[in-house]
Amino acid sequence: QKEVEQNSGPLSVPEGAIASLNCTYSDRGSQSFFWYRQYSGKSPELIMFIYSNGDKEDGRFTAQLNKASQYVSLLIRDSQPSDSATYLCAAVGSTLTFGKGTMLLVSP
Amino acid sequence: GAVVSQHPSRVICKSGTSVKIECRSLDFQATTMFWYRQFPKQSLMLMATSNEGSKATYEQGVEKDKFLINHASLTLSTLTVTSAHPEDSSFYICSAIHRGQGADEQYFGPGTRLTVT
Repeated sequence: QKEVEQNSGPLSVPEGAIASLNCTYSDRGSQSFFWYRQYSGKSPELIMFIYSNGDKEDGRFTAQLNKASQYVSLLIRDSQPSDSATYLCAAVGSTLTFGKGTMLLVSP
Repeated sequence: GAVVSQHPSRVICKSGTSVKIECRSLDFQATTMFWYRQFPKQSLMLMATSNEGSKATYEQGVEKDKFLINHASLTLSTLTVTSAHPEDSSFYICSAIHRGQGADEQYFGPGTRLTVT
């Protein structure tokens, strides 16, 4: 069974710190990986996607992919209280599989 | 980014009635849309994959006769919850695939909160 694993958290970081969110996947055939942010009671919103090994940066966000280790991460620099949300990792191979999400709490 | 809308955003219905939820891709064509259900404090659960012009593909455990999906055009998919019961109360979210450069991107609608009394 194809799985995407995330630590449920909560991950607590102080404002201004770097938040590091991690995700592992079991399907070696996965080609693309997505990070979504979901506020409580709201629909997920796409933050970033990555499909090549290495880093991809967009503003305060950096996605990292290591296909050999089957590992994807999302770094959030200069974390803000408004970043407090659940972050969902998703892998696309033959199917689309979501992790259960990691709750991030950024304290002022 | 691409925009996906859902209507209604909230609906309350009585047990035994049917409810239709619409999902639209506003600025792109989507041959594939997905329907998810999310219970409180749980992750998204894929219910079905909706392909324009063909029958939807349902996930195991999802009753196709209860959750009717129609993807009649490249910008519209509908989910009808038939003979709704209180246990069907949930947050229903659709998404659409946008064929971007390099990878297909999935964009979510804002969701529909269904309460069955």
